[in-house]
Amino acid sequence: GAVVSQHPSRVICKSGTSVKIECRSLDFQATTMFWYRQFPKQSLMLMATSNEGSKATYEQGVEKDKFLINHASLTLSTLTVTSAHPEDSSFYICSASYSSNQPQHFGDGTRLSIL
Amino acid sequence: AQSVTQLDSHVSVSEGTPVLLRCNYSSSYSPSLFWYVQHPNKGLQLLLKYTSAATLVKGINGFEAEFKKSETSFHLTKPSAHMSDAAEYFCVVTGKGNAGGTSYGKLTFGQGTILTVHP
Repeated sequence: GAVVSQHPSRVICKSGTSVKIECRSLDFQATTMFWYRQFPKQSLMLMATSNEGSKATYEQGVEKDKFLINHASLTLSTLTVTSAHPEDSSFYICSASYSSNQPQHFGDGTRLSIL
Repeated sequence: AQSVTQLDSHVSVSEGTPVLLRCNYSSSYSPSLFWYVQHPNKGLQLLLKYTSAATLVKGINGFEAEFKKSETSFHLTKPSAHMSDAAEYFCVVTGKGNAGGTSYGKLTFGQGTILTVHP
């Protein structure tokens, strides 16, 4: 089946640091990748939709200058949390789809903790 | 606009007994519906999907769900629970996104149902 790899699985860093999270589709070409944020005991909230070779589309209320998304190839998208602060601590999950009519396949998530 | 309501935040069953996780949806379009499972500190795994074909959908690990348009429901069932089924389950609806013309396939998640299985 379709495999999505997300790295790193866990990050602990100091406030003010920028953190990059990678999302790779290992066995298919992902025309679209999605980035979600999940707070404890809550559901997933879509942050942005990323199409290969174009700018990401951000959901309302998500700061595009804070959460930089790059989708430079059909198998890789990155999310950079710039100048992270404790309130950015969360579980970030990516997903990938090779067609808008196909289910999304999810990575295992990245637990980000900002001290 | 679309939304999903999972009617139970927690469900507890004994091993070997049936599982029922309830989900109601609303959608302005003909929806596609999914059930995903999430184990602790993991991503989501697709259990099954409904995309306007057969209304009774069979998924992995013995799960199935029935799409009932008249009731706007998509409940998840399994005849006999296993300990390994303990996890959080999300009912998801998809339709056209609202963040520009390229956001087709945007998923809207229910609040999740935590399934506990007792020995």
